Amino acid sequence: EDKVVQSPLSLVVHEGDTVTLNCSYEVTNFRSLLWYKQEKKAPTFLFMLTSSGIEKKSGRLSSILDKKELFSILNITATQTGDSAVYLCAANFGNEKLTFGTGTRLTIIP
Amino acid sequence: NAGVMQNPRHLVRRRGQEARLRCSPMKGHSHVYWYRQLPEEGLKFMVYLQKENIIDESGMPKERFSAEFPKEGPSILRIQQVVRGDSAAYFCASSPGRPEETQYFGPGTRLLVL
Repeated sequence: EDKVVQSPLSLVVHEGDTVTLNCSYEVTNFRSLLWYKQEKKAPTFLFMLTSSGIEKKSGRLSSILDKKELFSILNITATQTGDSAVYLCAANFGNEKLTFGTGTRLTIIP
Repeated sequence: NAGVMQNPRHLVRRRGQEARLRCSPMKGHSHVYWYRQLPEEGLKFMVYLQKENIIDESGMPKERFSAEFPKEGPSILRIQQVVRGDSAAYFCASSPGRPEETQYFGPGTRLLVL
């Protein structure tokens, strides 16, 4: 069965710290990996990764995919309280639907 | 460009009633996906539709649940004879289809069954 595992389940850091969130997957016709940020409402799209080793960046957020080791990381530098959210990782295993991990709950303490 | 729209945002039903959840995809998107999120759990795929066609309903319970995406109008997720276990957040996502596969999510409908 297609599976996505995220770690840690929760993380509490101080404002200004850098965090790394992990996502690993079991492959069956893997096509792409996506990261979303979920606050109280809709998951907001962050990145889609399809190729190994190519870092995607958006401001203080960046992400990279390793298709050999079957994982991705999401980095957030100089964290702010507005970064507090649940970060979801999802994989597209070639059948259009997304398989989600359970998420990492990130809390930033002022 | 308006995002994915869902309504209602909150829905309260008593056991045995019907729940109808609506989703309007982003403009130009012809692919719609429904996901369910139970408390403290990740999103789980339910059904994938294109206009007038159900493409994949492998995540949807065989009984009481149905979905449609008519030629005109929003996609509808219908739950008949709701039970307490149906209480969850139901999210709709849309995409334009290949090669652009990113799915964009709506704000969700939070269903509470009393």
